[in-house]
Amino acid sequence: DVKVTQSSRYLVKRTGEKVFLECVQDMDHENMFWYRQDPGLGLRLIYFSYDVKMKEKGDIPEGYSVSREKKERFSLILESASTNQTSMYLCASSRQGADTGELFFGEGSRLTVL
Amino acid sequence: SQQGEEDPQALSIQEGENATMNCSYKTSINNLQWYRQNSGRGLVHLILIRSNEREKHSGRLRVTLDTSKKSSSLLITASRAADTASYFCAGGGGGSYIPTFGRGTSLIVHP
Repeated sequence: DVKVTQSSRYLVKRTGEKVFLECVQDMDHENMFWYRQDPGLGLRLIYFSYDVKMKEKGDIPEGYSVSREKKERFSLILESASTNQTSMYLCASSRQGADTGELFFGEGSRLTVL
Repeated sequence: SQQGEEDPQALSIQEGENATMNCSYKTSINNLQWYRQNSGRGLVHLILIRSNEREKHSGRLRVTLDTSKKSSSLLITASRAADTASYFCAGGGGGSYIPTFGRGTSLIVHP
C-alpha cells in the first residue's frame, strides 16, 4: 500500500521557534509538494521539488524553506514561526513521467503557533 | 499551474439524493482529477478523466468534462452520510506538472 507519512499530526509551537515538518514517501516518486490549507482559502502551494536537492517556490513561499536531501524525504522549515502560520500543512507526492500526475497525500500536520 | 475552482462552496442534501459539484479551470490540461477530503485528513484521489474523454463512471461517481468550456462536473448518485466531505478538482498532466486546487465544495449528507 503506497504511503505518504507526515511525522507529526499535531504540533504546538511558540512564536519565534524554528519548526520542522517532515514528509516521507515510499513510492519512489520524483515530485513532492507542500501545501497549506486554511478555511475559505483552500489549498495553497508553498514549495515543490522535482528531484533531490531541487526546490521551486510555489504561490506562498514567504516565511518558509524546504530541504530535499533524499528522494523519499521532503522537509518544510519555518525559520521563525509566527501566529499567521497556524494552519494545516499537507505534503503530497507524484510520479514524473506518468501521464496522470495523480497526487498522493499525507494525513496532514496541524500546526498551532502561540 | 492548472488551477481548479469548485462550485458551489457548500452543498447540503438528504441521504439518497444526488450531489453535483462543478469545477472550472483556466489553462489547457491533459486530465482533470477529483479528490475527496474527510474532515481534518489528507486528500484522497477519487477519479480522473482525460482530456479526450467526455464522461467517466466509477461506482456511484460520474464525471463529465467539457474542454471547450474548461469545466468539469462530479455527480455522486444516491448519496450516503459517509459521503460527507470536501471535494476538490485539479487539472493535471504528466511529467512535472504543478497541481493547484481551489477552495473545494463542502458536501454534507444528512441521514
